[in-house]
Amino acid sequence: DQQVKQNSPSLSVQEGRISILNCDYTNSMFDYFLWYKKYPAEGPTFLISISSIKDKNEDGRFTVFLNKSAKHLSLHIVPSQPGDSAVYFCAARDYTGTASKLTFGTGTRLQVTL
Amino acid sequence: KAGVTQTPRYLIKTRGQQVTLSCSPISGHRSVSWYQQTPGQGLQFLFEYFSETQRNKGNFPGRFSGRQFSNSRSEMNVSTLELGDSALYLCASSLSAGNNEQFFGPGTRLTVL
Repeated sequence: DQQVKQNSPSLSVQEGRISILNCDYTNSMFDYFLWYKKYPAEGPTFLISISSIKDKNEDGRFTVFLNKSAKHLSLHIVPSQPGDSAVYFCAARDYTGTASKLTFGTGTRLQVTL
Repeated sequence: KAGVTQTPRYLIKTRGQQVTLSCSPISGHRSVSWYQQTPGQGLQFLFEYFSETQRNKGNFPGRFSGRQFSNSRSEMNVSTLELGDSALYLCASSLSAGNNEQFFGPGTRLTVL
């Protein structure tokens, strides 16, 4: 049962344009959402996050939007750059008060073309 | 500040063997989580350790186990290896249990023949 879904395995965007990566979740107990970027042969790198009490968080070129009623979040990258080409994972936190667990989506491979 | 380190980076084993992977968290971080990454499955949570205690566990068989030492370093062990255990095993550290931001190591690529 995939609680966090990234339905687009790949996305190709032209340099300078907007990249929009989507993520859906099913567990209403998730209280925090994160995006990670992963290059080949490296571990995932934290990119940006958002608490479930907010609907938008912005950091430079990266903005994450959360729609709790739709259980949907998206990552916007504007403008996209070739160095953004990587696999992006959406993750959701399930926090019990003493321990946490991140549930990851299967990833979206973003390719930014010249 | 050194990042999360994992050893070894690559490992080849045969079915039925056991394997131990090691993770050293970022200095000052006391929580270590382990994940398995396979193609098409994304990253799947194995377990989280904090203060030498397992705080949370994912849906993996008992062949997968781990421990954490007093210096926060962690090891995970997989016994009676199966072909399906071939994966990238990632370790992540954070300041404390339940901390939002986890920092990942480069992973150990395990191949089971």
